[in-house]
Amino acid sequence: QVQLVQSGAEVRKPGASVKVSCKASAYTFSNYGISWVRQAPGQGLEWMGWISAYDGDTNYPQKFQGRLSVTTDTYTSTAYMELRDLISDDTALYYCVRDYNYIMDYWGQGTLVTVSS
Amino acid sequence: QTVVTQEPSLTVSPGGTVTLTCASSTGAVTSGYYPNWFQQKPGHAPRPLIYRSSNKHPWTPARFSGSILGGKAALTLSAVQPEDEADYYCLLFQGGVWVFGGGTKLTVL
Repeated sequence: QVQLVQSGAEVRKPGASVKVSCKASAYTFSNYGISWVRQAPGQGLEWMGWISAYDGDTNYPQKFQGRLSVTTDTYTSTAYMELRDLISDDTALYYCVRDYNYIMDYWGQGTLVTVSS
Repeated sequence: QTVVTQEPSLTVSPGGTVTLTCASSTGAVTSGYYPNWFQQKPGHAPRPLIYRSSNKHPWTPARFSGSILGGKAALTLSAVQPEDEADYYCLLFQGGVWVFGGGTKLTVL
């Protein structure tokens, strides 16, 4: 069955960067895209960006442009999300989601990123 | 900045029917916004329910249905079960980006 397995929890200091991985299995990785979604403690969902695993095309909302990079490695069927210049408001659970043809279906288990001095 | 608005909270009795809505600050929601709906229970990742307004995933229970209603995306739950108590989020594609609604906390009481 389709699975997205994310890397483990991370703790960073303000101003640092974090990189989260998302390994896909049981489907042809390059035929789909991956979105990244985050959820701050007790808050709602926030879409952060998307990448096509086919050609590497990306789409970021203005809020994250310049601070977020999403990439893929088609050889290992893995997507990555790197967020730079972290602040305390970036403390959240980060999810990768399979996203194609305007359908978000399979979600990773989430990776907790804590930003604290 | 586009805002997507959902009812903050709704209450429904077991066996009843409830409709959750999803509005866009840009105007009427159409099928071209490709509405998706998700259910989230505490401590769990969101579970997709509906895509492209009204299409169900293979795991979506029959009692859930999606539609466009009065310029809003809508999620209707029929014959509500106690286990349907959860947070529900809509997602719209507008202006070339995805935007989540703030979520609706559904209480089954």
